[in-house]
Amino acid sequence: DIQMTQSPSTLSASVGDRVTITCRASQSINIWLAWYQQKPGKAPKLLIFKASSLESGVPSRFSGSGSGTEFTLTISSLQPDDFATYYCQQYNSYSRTFGQGTKVEIK
Amino acid sequence: EVQLLESGGGLVQPGGSLRLSCAASGFAFSINDMSWVRQALGKGLEWVSAITNSGGSTYYSDSVKGRFTISRDNSKNTLYLQMNSLRAEDTAVYYCARSSGALDSWGQGTLVTVSS
Repeated sequence: DIQMTQSPSTLSASVGDRVTITCRASQSINIWLAWYQQKPGKAPKLLIFKASSLESGVPSRFSGSGSGTEFTLTISSLQPDDFATYYCQQYNSYSRTFGQGTKVEIK
Repeated sequence: EVQLLESGGGLVQPGGSLRLSCAASGFAFSINDMSWVRQALGKGLEWVSAITNSGGSTYYSDSVKGRFTISRDNSKNTLYLQMNSLRAEDTAVYYCARSSGALDSWGQGTLVTVSS
């Protein structure tokens, strides 16, 4: 199975900060990577698909990049609504593994 | 508007069985692959199972293979997850999700608790 490793596990940041989260795959997944945002008690929400495509309705401050085994999610200017946990997920294979998550906290 | 509504969760003893349902509306259910994802309390997301749009192919995580069965009834716009031989470590919120490759729509989840 493909393993997904996110870093960092926790990130403390302030409103207005530029934030970057990294996701590494144990083998190449081409561009078949998605990013999700989850708030406490809520279902995850798709932000980015195919590594860099922005889901409809998602603010443009979110962006994704990468291919192969290394990917990043960037929030260009952190907003109060962005404090949440973020997950990457590969869908190169039907065993669609998630990263362990990155919690973005208020500094 | 896409809506996915899970049901069937509850308290079950170890070794018991439970069937989850996910009622879909607002989109063409029969042309979409679907997945189940679970989340233990305070933990991360774990992909559980997936099924192709026709139901012809199914996929499972190693942790549930041989115990869980995913199925669908396209005439009823409903996705199912039959869970047998349940263990304490299966305790989680179970989400159904529509798959367009990525999981682009999610239900609100249903809680399954496996405990004696």
